[in-house]
Amino acid sequence: KQEVTQIPAALSVPEGENLVLNCSFTDSAIYNLQWFRQDPGKGLTSLLLIQSSQREQTSGRLNASLDKSSGRSTLYIAASQPGDSATYLCAVRLRTNAGKSTFGDGTTLTVKP
Amino acid sequence: ETGVTQTPRHLVMGMTNKKSLKCEQHLGHNAMYWYKQSAKKPLELMFVYSLEERVENNSVPSRFSPECPNSSHLFLHLHTLQPEDSALYLCASSQGASGNTIYFGEGSWLTVV
Repeated sequence: KQEVTQIPAALSVPEGENLVLNCSFTDSAIYNLQWFRQDPGKGLTSLLLIQSSQREQTSGRLNASLDKSSGRSTLYIAASQPGDSATYLCAVRLRTNAGKSTFGDGTTLTVKP
Repeated sequence: ETGVTQTPRHLVMGMTNKKSLKCEQHLGHNAMYWYKQSAKKPLELMFVYSLEERVENNSVPSRFSPECPNSSHLFLHLHTLQPEDSALYLCASSQGASGNTIYFGEGSWLTVV
């Protein structure tokens, strides 16, 4: 059974700092990994999708990396802003059950002005 | 207009009521999903529909009954729910049930009293 862990559970940083969020998974036979952002009381917004054949994806100030062999992904946020404050979730899809994504508990990020 | 629209946004129902949640996607996708998000628990996949056929039923109690009349619409029919079913119910869609980005709606907040 795939298990997805996100560390830390919460993170508070001053504005302008670069930061890294971590996601680890137990079964490396993944199909893809997706990072989402969730604002309080809202749905999830897709940030980046990394296919199993890729090592990283970039979008603006966000960069996500994938290391299947170690079962890890990181989301790097450059020059953080107060508007980045949200909960960040990673979701992993396995090759054997491609319709099902397993989510981590998320990291709640607070960026202080 | 957002890509995935859910109604109602908030619902309070008694344990003997029958109600339905509705989801509509305007993205031309052919796979749709229901997820449940409870406090302090990871997002849980409930159902997956691909090409209007249910391809995943993640051991969900029969008091939750999904319906997918076409590729753009997804319903979740609710009856005789329990207080522990109170949660945020999220609908999502993607092109194919495998490797593409999943897009979420804003969710329906359900409170069972």
